[in-house]
Amino acid sequence: SQQGEEDPQALSIQEGENATMNCSYKTSINNLQWYRQNSGRGLVHLILIRSNEREKHSGRLRVTLDTSKKSSSLLITASRAADTASYFCATDASNFNKFYFGSGTKLNVKP
Amino acid sequence: SAVISQKPSRDICQRGTSLTIQCQVDSQVTMMFWYRQQPGQSLTLIATANQGSEATYESGFVIDKFPISRPNLTFSTLTVSNMSPEDSSIYLCSVDPAGVYGYTFGSGTRLTVV
Repeated sequence: SQQGEEDPQALSIQEGENATMNCSYKTSINNLQWYRQNSGRGLVHLILIRSNEREKHSGRLRVTLDTSKKSSSLLITASRAADTASYFCATDASNFNKFYFGSGTKLNVKP
Repeated sequence: SAVISQKPSRDICQRGTSLTIQCQVDSQVTMMFWYRQQPGQSLTLIATANQGSEATYESGFVIDKFPISRPNLTFSTLTVSNMSPEDSSIYLCSVDPAGVYGYTFGSGTRLTVV
């Protein structure tokens, strides 16, 4: 990818379990975002975390950011079958207002 | 957040031809971005389009292959020129209207080149 990698590439869990996805990036950033993409559909913005923030919550989502390690994680708690999708992190180059996407994690939540 | 209308939603094209994809935004935005998503892959930034200036292309993408227009603050087009089967992808436009809430994406154009 242009900026970063995500792991795992694929994750399969049972409904009700937590899902954790990790994102590593290459250069200094201002912001990091997480997106969800359902199969064949457009992208939905989930959460934005700024470089001076360490943790952010939105509903069942928890995002952490460690700028010293150039990494972020997305935790989805109490997963549901409807959470089945691909999840991407996106980072900006610190001096440009454009975002580069990670390689993505394909999450499958089994009912 | 902004709403983007992108069209066509899909097309099947003959190799050697060109396709122009349009994105209309319901509010004025300074920058628009064009991405490509090859089958099973992540999104790759093609170029950034500012109104009134030439688009800025990422490494590996050139204006002759992907000419972009940005005639005003609510509209942009991306043309995929002289297409080959390798151009079969989903093409998406996006905007970042406030710099706070994240990008808004168009619904994408699924292009198949035969």
